[in-house]
Amino acid sequence: GAGVSQSPSNKVTEKGKDVELRCDPISGHTALYWYRQSLGQGLEFLIYFQGNSAPDKSGLPSDRFSAERTGGSVSTLTIQRTQQEDSAVYLCASSLAGGPGYGYTFGSGTRLTVV
Amino acid sequence: SQQGEEDPQALSIQEGENATMNCSYKTSINNLQWYRQNSGRGLVHLILIRSNEREKHSGRLRVTLDTSKKSSSLLITASRAADTASYFCATSNRDDKIIFGKGTRLHILP
Repeated sequence: GAGVSQSPSNKVTEKGKDVELRCDPISGHTALYWYRQSLGQGLEFLIYFQGNSAPDKSGLPSDRFSAERTGGSVSTLTIQRTQQEDSAVYLCASSLAGGPGYGYTFGSGTRLTVV
Repeated sequence: SQQGEEDPQALSIQEGENATMNCSYKTSINNLQWYRQNSGRGLVHLILIRSNEREKHSGRLRVTLDTSKKSSSLLITASRAADTASYFCATSNRDDKIIFGKGTRLHILP
């Protein structure tokens, strides 16, 4: 597609439920990133996929969070047993090569509200 | 953990004036990027400066990088109402992971 697509754009869920957030990167982009942004805050790195390499999961806040990227394209971020502190905007970005010299294209995000 | 830290946290200026935002970081970098965010949603890439570059221009934007001081500045000249947004610096090092600062909220007054 022309840009990075995220779905859903908004998600309200009850505390304790599982949620799945989807990211469709730009076709051909090998690097894919997930970030989380709480209200009025900066972006918190969650996870990074680069080609077929093992993902960098160092930013995942707990074992309730997981992500996968199938076929080097679409990625799904899963949050199990959601808590109220998980409420945030979840942003996905992709990059052509993931290396120096390339900017990153962001999706519009998924606003997750846990009630 | 945050790598970049923007200064000031918030800035209000009159339309037509220049806006300067600063970013400091802690470790060595491959490049530094500036992004704009409107309405708390997706970020728009503005400009990228490599670690071996000192200054870069793009339209009304001017970015400087001082690797000895581990700092960068973003200058927006002749500001417009549409420049009202949050601005983030982001650094990338050898592992290609980009880390963002907390941002500067810029408000252009009419």
